[in-house]
Amino acid sequence: KQEVTQIPAALSVPEGENLVLNCSFTDSAIYNLQWFRQDPGKGLTSLLLIQSSQREQTSGRLNASLDKSSGRSTLYIAASQPGDSATYLCAVTTSGTYKYIFGTGTRLKVLA
Amino acid sequence: GAGVSQTPSNKVTEKGKYVELRCDPISGHTALYWYRQSLGQGPEFLIYFQGTGAADDSGLPNDRFFAVRPEGSVSTLKIQRTERGDSAVYLCASSRDRGPTEAFFGQGTRLTVV
Repeated sequence: KQEVTQIPAALSVPEGENLVLNCSFTDSAIYNLQWFRQDPGKGLTSLLLIQSSQREQTSGRLNASLDKSSGRSTLYIAASQPGDSATYLCAVTTSGTYKYIFGTGTRLKVLA
Repeated sequence: GAGVSQTPSNKVTEKGKYVELRCDPISGHTALYWYRQSLGQGPEFLIYFQGTGAADDSGLPNDRFFAVRPEGSVSTLKIQRTERGDSAVYLCASSRDRGPTEAFFGQGTRLTVV
């Protein structure tokens, strides 16, 4: 059974710092991995999708990497801003299914 | 539409009542998912539709929960005899194609059972 873990559960950093959020999964037979952002009381906003054949994806200040064999992904946020404060969730789809399995998220607070 | 739309955004109901939650996916998206999210947790899978049929309903917690998508577009999640433990945010997502492509989520329906 696929399990997804995100570390740390919460993170507080000063504005301008570069930071890394971690996601690990137990079954390396995945189709893809997707990173989402969730603001309080809101739905999920898709940030980056990495297919299983890819090693990384970039969008603006965000870079996500995938190491399928070790069951890990990282989300790198460069030059963090207070507007980046949110919960970041990673989710994977496992081969043979089409459903996303989510981690419990990392709650990020960027201090001005 | 431009994004996934869910109605209502908030629903308060009494224990034992029946509720329906609606999801309008992005136009042309054939795959539709329902998830449930409790406070401080990640979304938990409930059911996946490909077109009109439920391809995977393994996440539905019990037979009080049922979902339909009769014309392959709008979906309704139906909960009978609601219990206080059903209180959560119910999220709907859609994706473009058969297979696990990028999923886009709605804003959710916050269900409170009192």
